[in-house]
Amino acid sequence: DTAVSQTPKYLVTQMGNDKSIKCEQNLGHDTMYWYKQDSKKFLKIMFSYNNKELIINETVPNRFSPKSPDKAHLNLHINSLELGDSAVYFCASSQDRARGYTFGSGTRLTVV
Amino acid sequence: AQSVAQPEDQVNVAEGNPLTVKCTYSVSGNPYLFWYVQYPNRGLQFLLKYITGDNLVKGSYGFEAEFNKSQTSFHLKKPSALVSDSALYFCAVREMHRGSTLGRLYFGRGTQLTVWP
Repeated sequence: DTAVSQTPKYLVTQMGNDKSIKCEQNLGHDTMYWYKQDSKKFLKIMFSYNNKELIINETVPNRFSPKSPDKAHLNLHINSLELGDSAVYFCASSQDRARGYTFGSGTRLTVV
Repeated sequence: AQSVAQPEDQVNVAEGNPLTVKCTYSVSGNPYLFWYVQYPNRGLQFLLKYITGDNLVKGSYGFEAEFNKSQTSFHLKKPSALVSDSALYFCAVREMHRGSTLGRLYFGRGTQLTVWP
């Protein structure tokens, strides 16, 4: 009964490959997010969807493309992976501004 | 624009001593403030939040935080630290959009808390 689940937990891949990370939440939240945590642990928002509509799109290379088939899912597809994409990617969801986020456990992406 | 500052990258305390992890914020209106904790190789876990009301907020694991509007601070505190409290702590402020229930969380850069026995 995990609230926000991400798969895979670990992902090791070669430069130039295309990969996807999946996220699902069973909390009934309307809004979902992708954050990137770099090697210095800094959290940077990438995207946010509200009821399948893109509402936040930060300055992220267009190799990154989010997809939300329904409000319970927000997937992240990355094309032509680069070494600098290595990081931990967190999915999160929230319901309203008086509440915080519920985070997934993260996906550690390593590009070699 | 909203922003959060955590002035200390690291805080070290002895077990049993009180701890404080500092956070200051900048918002255009009334803030929603949060503290999260991240244990190694884990996601962020919610600790506590301030929305309105009493300036002293109590949260999980014996933590509390004091909202100080005049100093725009929301410091995290615990009267007696445990070794198991060692983790990375993030302060966050919720962006307020008038007429909207949406809004991202702005995170500080995190403070690594180490409690030594």
